[in-house]
Amino acid sequence: DTEVTQTPKHLVMGMTNKKSLKCEQHMGHRAMYWYKQKAKKPPELMFVYSYEKLSINESVPSRFSPECPNSSLLNLHLHALQPEDSALYLCASSPSLTGEGYEQYFGPGTRLTVT
Amino acid sequence: AQSVAQPEDQVNVAEGNPLTVKCTYSVSGNPYLFWYVQYPNRGLQFLLKYITGDNLVKGSYGFEAEFNKSQTSFHLKKPSALVSDSALYFCAVRDWGGDKLIFGTGTRLQVFP
Repeated sequence: DTEVTQTPKHLVMGMTNKKSLKCEQHMGHRAMYWYKQKAKKPPELMFVYSYEKLSINESVPSRFSPECPNSSLLNLHLHALQPEDSALYLCASSPSLTGEGYEQYFGPGTRLTVT
Repeated sequence: AQSVAQPEDQVNVAEGNPLTVKCTYSVSGNPYLFWYVQYPNRGLQFLLKYITGDNLVKGSYGFEAEFNKSQTSFHLKKPSALVSDSALYFCAVRDWGGDKLIFGTGTRLQVFP
């Protein structure tokens, strides 16, 4: 099974709301990623977890808060977002963070609209 | 610093004709190179990768890519394009020991019937 699942598929939230995005993989991968993607642009790395510890934070605003409850799950908590945060949020996983050239497996994404 | 360039925003090709999507890279060490495809409102799907070994790499859906170290290129190819190949294609690179995947800007492939 090479599937990464993400919920919800679509999310509309106001600027004062709190919501969470969820990502799950059962491939035994130990690295998990959050990306933000604007239309027709490449994905931008936000956070990386390696062995359930935050390894990379690409200077993302604090209104985005990642969480890795266990090796299979990755959450992204959202609070007080801005309209410019509207984008496709992609989760990915790979067997490990460095070393051999492992590919990342991507989920289908959550389309977020901030009103 | 690592970087990837996809010089063409869009590539148009007729169905049945061969296609090439270009990618050049810059890394300080040995590269790991990847191609991904993205259909509208979907995540990225892995097509193929180069780690080491044969310069011609075969991947999913009949795609292949040729690694050229002297030209620092990793062009994606397919002998006979299908309309269903129309999508956004991303080249990506990571150098050995690196912890981030660097994506190119993407190339939109349009295959006309």
